Amino acid sequence: NAGVTQTPKFQVLKTGQSMTLQCAQDMNHNSMYWYRQDPGMGLRLIYYSASEGTTDKGEVPNGYNVSRLNKREFSLRLESAAPSQTSVYFCASSATGGVRETQYFGPGTRLLVL
Amino acid sequence: AQKITQTQPGMFVQEKEAVTLDCTYDTSDPSYGLFWYKQPSSGEMIFLIYQGSYDQQNATEGRYSLNFQKARKSANLVISASQLGDSAMYFCAMRVNTGNQFYFGTGTSLTVIP
Repeated sequence: NAGVTQTPKFQVLKTGQSMTLQCAQDMNHNSMYWYRQDPGMGLRLIYYSASEGTTDKGEVPNGYNVSRLNKREFSLRLESAAPSQTSVYFCASSATGGVRETQYFGPGTRLLVL
Repeated sequence: AQKITQTQPGMFVQEKEAVTLDCTYDTSDPSYGLFWYKQPSSGEMIFLIYQGSYDQQNATEGRYSLNFQKARKSANLVISASQLGDSAMYFCAMRVNTGNQFYFGTGTSLTVIP
């Protein structure tokens, strides 16, 4: 099992450019999440999807859109990148069997917006 | 509202000594789970240990144990016999029964000194 995979691993964008971060999991999890990690701020939730066909905003959704393409895949789109979106982005997934279900994380995408 | 607080931005510990990383939480949901994750310098997020709100005993996983004090709303991570490989960021997180979100603290950077 690959677990949670993310592409790309690293990306440089110019202000105003768009891009999509891809995430896939092979653990048959219902829930998937996108976080950003900035120094001193921990992990902040951008969007999550409790199940296929549903998405919900997290703490910092502005400037992002998501698509839950199927049960395996959950993509994050930046329509017009800004320097404030320079960050490390993590995708995660979890089962929905209750509070004891942990999250499994992808390796992260380092994004630099110039 | 749910909240996780980690008040120690950085900690140092001598190799082979024990160290406690603090975590306090706030929720009105009676059913919740508490998690600790490790993030080494390579960047991946690694699940360490879980404690449920209804668990009668403190969780243990090898050298990791969780000092769960429900009345104080604290869930401190104890690492025994520290090793150089324990140097990393450590995040405390919570999941409540009423939703699919995880709530993260801002993390504690642990450095193990030889």
